[in-house]
Amino acid sequence: DVKVTQSSRYLVKRTGEKVFLECVQDMDHENMFWYRQDPGLGLRLIYFSYDVKMKEKGDIPEGYSVSREKKERFSLILESASTNQTSMYLCASSSAGRYSNQPQHFGDGTRLSIL
Amino acid sequence: AQTVTQSQPEMSVQEAETVTLSCTYDTSESNYYLFWYKQPPSRQMILVIRQEAYKQQNATENRFSVNFQKAAKSFSLKISDSQLGDTAMYFCAFRPNNNDMRFGAGTRLTVKP
Repeated sequence: DVKVTQSSRYLVKRTGEKVFLECVQDMDHENMFWYRQDPGLGLRLIYFSYDVKMKEKGDIPEGYSVSREKKERFSLILESASTNQTSMYLCASSSAGRYSNQPQHFGDGTRLSIL
Repeated sequence: AQTVTQSQPEMSVQEAETVTLSCTYDTSESNYYLFWYKQPPSRQMILVIRQEAYKQQNATENRFSVNFQKAAKSFSLKISDSQLGDTAMYFCAFRPNNNDMRFGAGTRLTVKP
């Protein structure tokens, strides 16, 4: 089974801090995704990566950046955390491309609170 | 804009009964893919079922089936013989060709013993 592991289930940070959310997958997938999940809004794509050091913006990239130095690891970075970034963050990976109909495999999520 | 609407924020069903979750979407595309994902409390989101728009036959996976009405742009999920483990948030998702997946807001389903 595909395993997508997010480093933290819960995280509390302060406004202005630089925050790192880590995600690791064990299936050698080329494609990895970061989503934000908010009540009433479903999931929204923040960033997508299709290879090491390659990335594409999603719907809501403002205030975020990503890093993919190794194939199995995809990091989401909040450059200067703000309270409106309090949310659940989901990482996913897939063997197929960004626009494929193949299922994405999700991590457990990181619930981030910015105080 | 291509959107997905789940009109039922919360639903409940008695164990062993059948429940239907509704989903509608808006698109001008003729070919696309539709998905239902399940997110149990504090657990990973997993794919329940998927449907390709060019296939007329409704997809079925064990106790889960869909009612796909292309003309009405409707994609409902039916869960038969509901079990306590079906308690979860259910997301309808829609992927047009060469475009990102769009998720609905979710329906929180509670199965009562």
